[in-house]
Amino acid sequence: GAGVSQSPSNKVTEKGKDVELRCDPISGHTALYWYRQSLGQGLEFLIYFQGNSAPDKSGLPSDRFSAERTGGSVSTLTIQRTQQEDSAVYLCASSNRGVNSPLHFGNGTRLTVT
Amino acid sequence: GQQLNQSPQSMFIQEGEDVSMNCTSSSIFNTWLWYKQDPGEGPVLLIALYKAGELTSNGRLTAQFGITRKDSFLNISASIPSDVGIYFCAYTGANSKLTFGKGITLSVRP
Repeated sequence: GAGVSQSPSNKVTEKGKDVELRCDPISGHTALYWYRQSLGQGLEFLIYFQGNSAPDKSGLPSDRFSAERTGGSVSTLTIQRTQQEDSAVYLCASSNRGVNSPLHFGNGTRLTVT
Repeated sequence: GQQLNQSPQSMFIQEGEDVSMNCTSSSIFNTWLWYKQDPGEGPVLLIALYKAGELTSNGRLTAQFGITRKDSFLNISASIPSDVGIYFCAYTGANSKLTFGKGITLSVRP
């Protein structure tokens, strides 16, 4: 497919467990973003990768959250020791380099922590 | 980051009606973007605005970048059922990072 792909589409986990969310960006896109969308809220920026530059982690809410981007392509967002307040839709987006390049979003992973 | 204000949180209109949505901020921006999110999907870019006063159309959608660079509006004319969804305004900050408003959920009654 030509779009941003995220997996799994839904994830239910028990409080305290670790989870990994995966994002496959559009081929050739150098920028990759993670956002979180809680019920009734806007999109909250989490982390941004651009090429080989150091990622902008300024939006990560706690040290339980981390993300990697391997080989400049696939990214994994990891949440350790999940809490109920981590329940949300986690959206990934990619874009070409350039300040006015539009973001292309995946359909998200809906995480439910019980 | 600076906040974007979108209100009301929800809007209900009749099919065929026009609707206007505003987005305001106390800060000045160089870009305004309007995204739409359908249920179960990620947001999709509708219109991008790059110049104060700019008026841009995309089919039944029209958006304007306010002269003061502190606001923008999005108009949808002759609404149809598939217009339902959440409409977000956003601005591009450092590192091309998008900051979004909280969105307006639009419902269209047939």
